[in-house]
Amino acid sequence: GAGVSQTPSNKVTEKGKYVELRCDPISGHTALYWYRQSLGQGPEFLIYFQGTGAADDSGLPNDRFFAVRPEGSVSTLKIQRTERGDSAVYLCASSFLAVGELFFGEGSRLTVL
Amino acid sequence: KNEVEQSPQNLTAQEGEFITINCSYSVGISALHWLQQHPGGGIVSLFMLSSGKKKHGRLIATINIQEKHSSLHITASHPRDSAVYICAVGNTDKLIFGTGTRLQVFP
Repeated sequence: GAGVSQTPSNKVTEKGKYVELRCDPISGHTALYWYRQSLGQGPEFLIYFQGTGAADDSGLPNDRFFAVRPEGSVSTLKIQRTERGDSAVYLCASSFLAVGELFFGEGSRLTVL
Repeated sequence: KNEVEQSPQNLTAQEGEFITINCSYSVGISALHWLQQHPGGGIVSLFMLSSGKKKHGRLIATINIQEKHSSLHITASHPRDSAVYICAVGNTDKLIFGTGTRLQVFP
């Protein structure tokens, strides 16, 4: 596609529910990143994929968070047993090379009630 | 202390003024990014640099690797430049972000 696409753009859920957030990167970009941004803060690194594998998942806050990229393109961030503190904008970015120029999606705003 | 520090946190200016935003970092990096985020909008990459200086239109970015410092300059600022400007440093496989500088340019 022309840019990085994220769906849904907004998600409101109840505490304890399961949520999936999708990222469709720019075609051909092997590097894919997930970040989380809370209000008034800079983005916080969650996980980085190079191809199909998670090269660095050190930013995932706990085992309720999991992300996959099975075919090296689309990635899904999965959050189990959501908590109110998970409310944030989840940003996806892709680049052709690791640590290359980044292209960001518009983000998925998650609100946990 | 954060690994990436930006200053100022907030900045207001009159249209036409010259703007400087600073970024200092404490880790070894392979590249530094300047990003722009409009309210309610996505993030746009302005510059990626590892040495020297880059210019794009009214925007100029410089980096001093020895001093671990970068600056973003905006010449002849305009109200449409109002946004949050974020510095991020690339370290192996991930970026570390500053908390951003909120710029408001008034007509």
